[in-house]
Amino acid sequence: EIVLTQSPGTLSLSPGERATLSCRASQSVSSSYLAWYQQKPGQAPRLLIYGASSRATGIPERFSGGGSGTDFTLTISRLEPEDFAVYYCQQYGGSPWTFGQGTKVEIK
Amino acid sequence: EVQLVESGGGLIQPGGSLRLSCAASGFTVSSNYMSWVRQAPGKGLEWVSVMYSGGSTYYADSVKGRFTISRDNSKNTLYLQMNTLRAEDTAVYYCARDSSRGGTYSHEYWGQGTLVTVSS
Repeated sequence: EIVLTQSPGTLSLSPGERATLSCRASQSVSSSYLAWYQQKPGQAPRLLIYGASSRATGIPERFSGGGSGTDFTLTISRLEPEDFAVYYCQQYGGSPWTFGQGTKVEIK
Repeated sequence: EVQLVESGGGLIQPGGSLRLSCAASGFTVSSNYMSWVRQAPGKGLEWVSVMYSGGSTYYADSVKGRFTISRDNSKNTLYLQMNTLRAEDTAVYYCARDSSRGGTYSHEYWGQGTLVTVSS
């Protein structure tokens, strides 16, 4: 099983700041099979990034994804009030599909 | 517009069975990859099962042999039959329409979820 470790667990930032979230895999994952999701309290997750770096439909340009192999990042260039949420990475390259434990981005 | 509406959750005793439904609109279930993902209270996301358009199915080890994913094409609905339920199956269960565009993969659309509570 591929284990995804997200860091940090919690990121405390102010609106307007840049957020950089990390997702490290226990073994190499094809970039095609790495996605990022955002989840707000009481809501279903929302797809942000697929294929490691492609934005899903309707996702603002301030969200970007990158990385390859075992190290992937999600960057939010300038945090808006609605971006404070929990973010999960997920891999589909190995069975079973697995999620990271999540990074909470909270208002400082 | 793509819509997914889960139902069938509730309180069930350990060892019991429950069938979750995911009614889809705006697209054809049988032409898409469809997944179930769950989230225990206060915890992260866990992928549970997928059904490919061709009918192949796969499961997480934690539910293999106890859960069965299926679909009813006439009702455009996805199901998750859950047997021999355990306390650790307590979670919100989401269905998702998956996307495999351009060689990538993701859970593109999600339902609002249905809560399953396994407790005596």
